[in-house]
Amino acid sequence: GAVVSQHPSRVICKSGTSVKIECRSLDFQATTMFWYRQFPKKSLMLMATSNEGSKATYEQGVEKDKFLINHASLTLSTLTVTSAHPEDSSFYICSAGRTGGQPQHFGDGTRLSIL
Amino acid sequence: TQLLEQSPQFLSIQEGENLTVYCNSSSVFSSLQWYRQEPGEGPVLLVTVVTGGEVKKLKRLTFQFGDARKDSSLHITAAQPGDTGLYLCAGPLGGATNKLIFGTGTLLAVQP
Repeated sequence: GAVVSQHPSRVICKSGTSVKIECRSLDFQATTMFWYRQFPKKSLMLMATSNEGSKATYEQGVEKDKFLINHASLTLSTLTVTSAHPEDSSFYICSAGRTGGQPQHFGDGTRLSIL
Repeated sequence: TQLLEQSPQFLSIQEGENLTVYCNSSSVFSSLQWYRQEPGEGPVLLVTVVTGGEVKKLKRLTFQFGDARKDSSLHITAAQPGDTGLYLCAGPLGGATNKLIFGTGTLLAVQP
């Protein structure tokens, strides 16, 4: 069964809305989780590393004020897309690894559509 | 900068054919992973190769890690429509993080 749960699976909302996506590790604690963005038929692009109890580390070119990450507990990381616009529409995927990091387990993704 | 280039980018074949997907880098990786992803879902790990020259088999799928640990291949024998999906290789960036870098992806369509 799934070891990483992502919610919601699909979101459709109006431009200007902020959207929160949750990523939970179901049967293990994860001090580190990762957030990816994926465009249709393309590979996964790492956006940021979510660190429990500290600030997230963002990859080059990713706006930290646009994509807010909170990792308040060892089993939950959230990604908030603030003031979303149509260009933020994408498939967002999280992953988490058990102690030692590998292998990573992936959530089923969230399809975000901004109208 | 570590990059993983996959080829081909797209592949459409008939059921029963064989195929090979390549994952190449100019950098050495401690390990490489192969994933398959279906539309609307997250990637699912198929295999991890760790040792240079290693060959692993998973039913009709054969994975090989290059001797220099800079490349890997995935060979599918007698492809079936159920093999359709996006195939991704990935490797750890190393250092103190557990970051993974993903290959550019190979979209496979197996026609019945």
